[in-house]
Amino acid sequence: QKEVEQDPGPLSVPEGAIVSLNCTYSNSAFQYFMWYRQYSRKGPELLMYTYSSGNKEDGRFTAQVDKSSKYISLFIRDSQPSDSATYLCAMSYFNSGNTPLVFGKGTRLSVIA
Amino acid sequence: GAVVSQHPSRVICKSGTSVKIECRSLDFQATTMFWYRQFPKQSLMLMATSNEGSKATYEQGVEKDKFLINHASLTLSTLTVTSAHPEDSSFYICSARDWGTSGYERYEQYFGPGTRLTVT
Repeated sequence: QKEVEQDPGPLSVPEGAIVSLNCTYSNSAFQYFMWYRQYSRKGPELLMYTYSSGNKEDGRFTAQVDKSSKYISLFIRDSQPSDSATYLCAMSYFNSGNTPLVFGKGTRLSVIA
Repeated sequence: GAVVSQHPSRVICKSGTSVKIECRSLDFQATTMFWYRQFPKQSLMLMATSNEGSKATYEQGVEKDKFLINHASLTLSTLTVTSAHPEDSSFYICSARDWGTSGYERYEQYFGPGTRLTVT
């Protein structure tokens, strides 16, 4: 079983839809959770980060962490064509400078106008 | 937010030559930087962890003599692809962690825009 599982999609939704992106993980030691957005031929851009369980909202984006289920989600409200990108979840065991993040494989999202 | 730059953004080189890619943290210090490569429609693959003032830590299967990493300062890490071959053609991305300026540790990791290497 991989440490982090993420459905690669592609996921296609109409403009204005609510998008739900998810990752599951196997190691309960993960404490820090991040979502990145990557446009084609660009570096990933940090969207959201959360520590431990709970929700965090930023504009149209909401990140949820359920540590009991080892499940994290990113919700995008009122999706726009400009949201079309690959979304990567990432997580870390420790808050340590040289600990690399563990990434999911990414979900490709297309928002159709 | 923290900004990471890479140079060049795109490079084409002939087989057998060496290519150097620079990664800079522009508005923060980074004791640790990470180098990734990414093939089309694939996820990020960690190549190595670069630590300022010490040797890089390479992931299993990554040739350290082929992918030379130097992290000479708190804002600059370089990746040199030596004796490049067509199979080294890929998208190389660096990232760095912002350790903050207020005495607290931050764990966000910021990525550069990537360098597309094509070896002919």
